[in-house]
Amino acid sequence: ILNVEQSPQSLHVQEGDSTNFTCSFPSSNFYALHWYRWETAKSPEALFVMTLNGDEKKKGRISATLNTKEGYSYLYIKGSQPEDSATYLCAHYGGATNKLIFGTGTLLAVQP
Amino acid sequence: ETGVTQTPRHLVMGMTNKKSLKCEQHLGHNAMYWYKQSAKKPLELMFVYNFKEQTENNSVPSRFSPECPNSSHLFLHLHTLQPEDSALYLCASSQTSGTGGWEQYFGPGTRLTVT
Repeated sequence: ILNVEQSPQSLHVQEGDSTNFTCSFPSSNFYALHWYRWETAKSPEALFVMTLNGDEKKKGRISATLNTKEGYSYLYIKGSQPEDSATYLCAHYGGATNKLIFGTGTLLAVQP
Repeated sequence: ETGVTQTPRHLVMGMTNKKSLKCEQHLGHNAMYWYKQSAKKPLELMFVYNFKEQTENNSVPSRFSPECPNSSHLFLHLHTLQPEDSALYLCASSQTSGTGGWEQYFGPGTRLTVT
């Protein structure tokens, strides 16, 4: 069984705080790592797809890094806002399974 | 608006009923997916279609029967379900399904309750 693990499970921060989450995945036979944001009652929305070791991607206040050799990715949110409140999912695509395997997500709540 | 629609949004069915979930994507993608999310569990891939051909059946029971008549439409036919099949069913699409390099676009999901 190839697991994707995310930590923490949940996080409560104050508006303006910066925060980060971790996604761990099998390092062998790596193809791609996805990050999605899933707001309550909405559809999951893609944030980043990363394929190269050392990749760094940024969208506004959100950025992500990738280390395929050690099997982890970090998602950073700078200056959290209440509208950032959502579940953040990562998903790993590897040659061993040839399909996207999701983690259970990190639930972020930003208090105004 | 993600360009992927699903109907119905909510469905309650008995164990002897037959119903279908519908998904439509307006993004010109060639791959479509069905996922299941049960409470406290990760999104679980059920089926993958690439250019209308089924390329993945993730050991899904035969009471779930997918159909992909064209690259824009995907159905999930349901019959003789069990209460443990109650879950959120999400449809997604992407440019293609190979190597995982394409982001997936999700619909809003169908909340299914089996009584």
